[in-house]
Amino acid sequence: ENVLTQSPATLSLSPGERATLSCRATVIVDNYLAWYQQKPGQAPRLLIYGVSNRATGIPARFSGSGSGTDFTLTISSLEPEDSAVYYCQRRGGGPPVIFGGGTKVEIK
Amino acid sequence: EVQLLDSGGGLVQPGGSLRLSCAASGFPFTTYWMNWIRQAPGKGLEWVANVNLDGSEGYYADSVQGRFIISRDNAKNSISLQMNSLKVEDTAVYYCAKDHIRGWTLDSWGQGTLVTVSS
Repeated sequence: ENVLTQSPATLSLSPGERATLSCRATVIVDNYLAWYQQKPGQAPRLLIYGVSNRATGIPARFSGSGSGTDFTLTISSLEPEDSAVYYCQRRGGGPPVIFGGGTKVEIK
Repeated sequence: EVQLLDSGGGLVQPGGSLRLSCAASGFPFTTYWMNWIRQAPGKGLEWVANVNLDGSEGYYADSVQGRFIISRDNAKNSISLQMNSLKVEDTAVYYCAKDHIRGWTLDSWGQGTLVTVSS
């Protein structure tokens, strides 16, 4: 089964701290791995595509890395506006798009 | 600037039908696959369906296969989702989303339209 597991479920950090979000797959993922940010009441926004490429207009403090089954979204220095839920997403063999369950980032 | 405007949501009884629409602008519409994604209240994201460039092929999640039909009108730069035999568990915000040029990534999203299935 193609599943993406995100951890932790919730991350609570202070402004300026580094956030590390994990996305683990049950099968090896090709480089179609993306990350999205969703703030309350808003549509998701693409942050990272192709594992490590920032989408247009995304600040440099967001970076993606990983390979195989383990991927990471890093926010190098948290800003108050980074409070959101973050989803990873991969290309699937059955459904073409598979999302992880999300990680909620809270800013103290 | 890419704009996607979702519409058509509302309250419908179980077993009923509803048609969602998404009007697109700001990009060469015929060059991109288009998708519908949904999000149940307080839950995560679920891909629902996508449609190819000329509208001749649609693909569906197992949860909606046989009940939902996706279509596109390239003359009007729009896509639609005809939802039939609706179930309570179809209650969600429905977003249309545009494929990234690489495919299998969603680089622009509509604002969403709420579908509530309830008696």
